[in-house]
Amino acid sequence: RKEVEQDPGPFNVPEGATVAFNCTYSNSASQSFFWYRQDCRKEPKLLMSVYSSGNEDGRFTAQLNRASQYISLLIRDSKLSDSATYLCVGGRGKLQFGAGTQVVVTP
Amino acid sequence: GAGVSQSPRYKVAKRGQDVALRCDPISGHVSLFWYQQALGQGPEFLTYFQNEAQLDKSGLPSDRFFAERPEGSVSTLKIQRTQQEDSAVYLCASSPTGQDEQFFGPGTRLTVL
Repeated sequence: RKEVEQDPGPFNVPEGATVAFNCTYSNSASQSFFWYRQDCRKEPKLLMSVYSSGNEDGRFTAQLNRASQYISLLIRDSKLSDSATYLCVGGRGKLQFGAGTQVVVTP
Repeated sequence: GAGVSQSPRYKVAKRGQDVALRCDPISGHVSLFWYQQALGQGPEFLTYFQNEAQLDKSGLPSDRFFAERPEGSVSTLKIQRTQQEDSAVYLCASSPTGQDEQFFGPGTRLTVL
C-alpha cells in the first residue's frame, strides 16, 4: 500500500465550477504536506504548502486533517488552465508523492 | 533566478550501457533529491543528499544505481548496465533545508532499448 493515496480521476469540471478532492496518507509522523501541479510531460511545480490551520491562495484552498490523515484541495471558479494532474505530497524530510489526481476543465 | 537544471533532457541507451544523469540544483540549496517517475505514476523517491552527505538511499532500486554529490552542489545519478525497466523520467529536486518545499528540474527522460 502506498503511503499517499489519491483518486486518479479524471475529474471533469465545467469552467467556472468548483472542484474538490482529497488524498490520504498513512505515515502519522509526516510533518510537511504540499500540493504540486504537474502538466503533461513537465516537471511537478509547487502549488501550495498545506498547513494545519488550512490555507488559501487565490482560488485554491488546502486543508489538513491530522486526525483522519487526509489532505484536501479545493479549486474555485475553475479555469481551463487549471487542467493538470495534482500531486498530493507528504512526509518528514523524505517526501512521498501520490500518483496524482487528473483534473480536466471543460469549456 | 535560475532554477534546477538537468542534463541531458533525453537519453536513449542500449540495454547494458551505463548512463550518467546530471543535476544542477538552485544555488545555495542544501538538500538535493532524486526521483524516478514512471508513466501515470507520481515521483518515487530514490535518494537524498544534504550538502555532500548522502543521508538516504533507500529508494535506489538496485546496486546498479549510484548517486554522488561530491562538492555539495552538482549531483550525478549513474545507472550501470541499464535494463528496459529503468526507462522512466528521472527528476531532481532541491530544497533550501530539506524540511520544506522542493523545486524540481525538468527531468531526464531515459529510454532503454
